[in-house]
Amino acid sequence: AQTVTQSQPEMSVQEAETVTLSCTYDTSESNYYLFWYKQPPSRQMILVIRQEAYKQQNATENRFSVNFQKAAKSFSLKISDSQLGDTAMYFCAFMKQRNYGGSQGNLIFGKGTKLSVKP
Amino acid sequence: EAGVAQSPRYKIIEKRQSVAFWCNPISGHATLYWYQQILGQGPKLLIQFQNNGVVDDSQLPKDRFSAERLKGVDSTLKIQPAKLEDSAVYLCASSLLLAGSYNEQFFGPGTRLTVL
Repeated sequence: AQTVTQSQPEMSVQEAETVTLSCTYDTSESNYYLFWYKQPPSRQMILVIRQEAYKQQNATENRFSVNFQKAAKSFSLKISDSQLGDTAMYFCAFMKQRNYGGSQGNLIFGKGTKLSVKP
Repeated sequence: EAGVAQSPRYKIIEKRQSVAFWCNPISGHATLYWYQQILGQGPKLLIQFQNNGVVDDSQLPKDRFSAERLKGVDSTLKIQPAKLEDSAVYLCASSLLLAGSYNEQFFGPGTRLTVL
């Protein structure tokens, strides 16, 4: 069974600073996806960034980037130039990749990290 | 493009009562998911539909929870009878069904259920 662990229940950062959220996972699968989702108080879960396990290059999306260490089963999220709108719960998630290369299935989430961006 | 719609947004019931949640996925999305998110935890999959067939319901408490997706579009999740531990946010998500491709799951705003 796959598990996702987020060891930081809460974090805070000053506006315009950089913050890193940690995530580790456990799986025996070789092919999978890893995700970071953002959940603001409105509860709408929004995909922030996705990483395919077979790709060595770390994914980036504007101010968001990941540090994917496959051997260590570590997947951290770095938020640069933090903005007040980044205040939210952040969830790390795992999904198996289908044999034919597609994705269709169960997202397994960690417990989340509550990030507060302070002005 | 309209997102995933859910109703109601909030529901308060007494234990042992029944409750139903509704989800309308994004148009054209063949796959629909129901997740349960208990306070302080990440979402957990309850059931996954592909068109109107069930793909995975291994974590659905079938003695009290049921779900259907008639005609492969809208879906309803029902709890009967509700227990205190069912208090949670129920999230619906949908995705395309494209073989060999990554299919992003898009989430609705959720229904917050409080069981008293």
